[in-house]
Formats: sequence, C-alpha cells, structure tokens
Amino acid sequence: ELKVEQNPLFLSMQEGKNYTIYCNYSTTSDRLYWYRQDPGKSLESLFVLLSNGAVKQEGRLMASLDTKARLSTLHITAAVHDLSATYFCAGDNTDKLIFGTGTRLQVFP
Amino acid sequence: GAVVSQHPSWVICKSGTSVKIECRSLDFQATTMFWYRQFPKQSLMLMATSNEGSKATYEQGVEKDKFLINHASLTLSTLTVTSAHPEDSSFYICSGLDGEQYFGPGTRLTVT
Repeated sequence: ELKVEQNPLFLSMQEGKNYTIYCNYSTTSDRLYWYRQDPGKSLESLFVLLSNGAVKQEGRLMASLDTKARLSTLHITAAVHDLSATYFCAGDNTDKLIFGTGTRLQVFP
Repeated sequence: GAVVSQHPSWVICKSGTSVKIECRSLDFQATTMFWYRQFPKQSLMLMATSNEGSKATYEQGVEKDKFLINHASLTLSTLTVTSAHPEDSSFYICSGLDGEQYFGPGTRLTVT
C-alpha cells in the first residue's frame, strides 16, 4: 500500500530565502505530483514527475524525483509572499492519488 | 489543462437532510472521477472512485449508503450525502481523469 509522507508540516520562511520540502513514498509510484492549495480553494497542479531524475522548474519552484530513494523534493528559491500556501505531494497508485500530509508555507517580509 | 466544475460551491443544510453535489467535466469525457474529502488543515482523503455506468468503488471506512455516488454520463458524477450530520461538514473535492486528475473547485458543506 502506497504511503506518502511530507516534511516539514509547517514552514515559516523569510522573503528571499531558499528552502526545500521533502516527500517520501513507501512503494513504487507511477508518477509524483505536486500541488498548491490556497486557503478555501481547491488544488492547483504544479508539477508532474514521470521518471527517475526528472526535474521541472516553474518560476521560483523546482521539483525533482529520485525513484531509487523514493524521494521527491520541492525547492523554493528566493521566496516571496505570493508563495504562501499549502503544498501537497501525491503518489499515483493505479490512477488513485495518495496525498502527503501537506506543508503549510508562510513567507514573511 | 482540462476543466472540472462543481456545484454548489457552498451549501448549508440541516442535520438529517440530504444534499447532492455535482461534478462535471467541461471539456473532456471522464470515464473515471474521484471524490475526496478534506477536513480543515488536513490532507485530502480519497472517498471513492466513480466509474461511468457502473457502481462506485469506496475506500475502506467510507459508508457507501451514506455517500451515494452516481456517474450516469461521461461528464457528470454526483455525490449525495444522505442524512447529513455535523461531522459530515467538510470540503468535498472531485476530480476527473484525463491522463491525470483534474480537480474541481470544491464544495464546502456545513451541516447545522
């Protein structure tokens, strides 16, 4: 049974700083997803990672996947306030998504 | 990406009544849709997988007689919360499968 763990659960960071969110999963996952959720809103798709070594970047966010370590990371570069949100990773188990616990990111001046 | 809508976006109902939530795929045909529930400050939990023309598959611990799912067409799945109780208050999110899952905007249910 696929299980997905994220850490940290909560991240308070200063604008301009860098940080990484980690996502570990327990068994083989076909794909690894990263989503953003703003308060009261649904999920916004950020990245879909398909294979070992995959790296994708969009603005200040970069996601990577290491299938051998069963680890995905979401790296934040030079954080800005607009990045404040909750970030979820999810593993794919025969089209069913198993979500991590989420990381609440708060960026302050 | 593909677009999924939900209706209503927000609903309040009295304890003991039933409420129906619609999930529509607007620009693709979704043979498979998923229903999730999210409590405040928690992650999304898969409730059930909805397949067009067949019975839904419920996750362990989800009462199928309480959460009725109907997927009568390739673009519409409905979730009916029957005999709602305050503990059913939650944020319900659906998704449609088109290669990957595309999420609806969610429905906030409050049971008083």
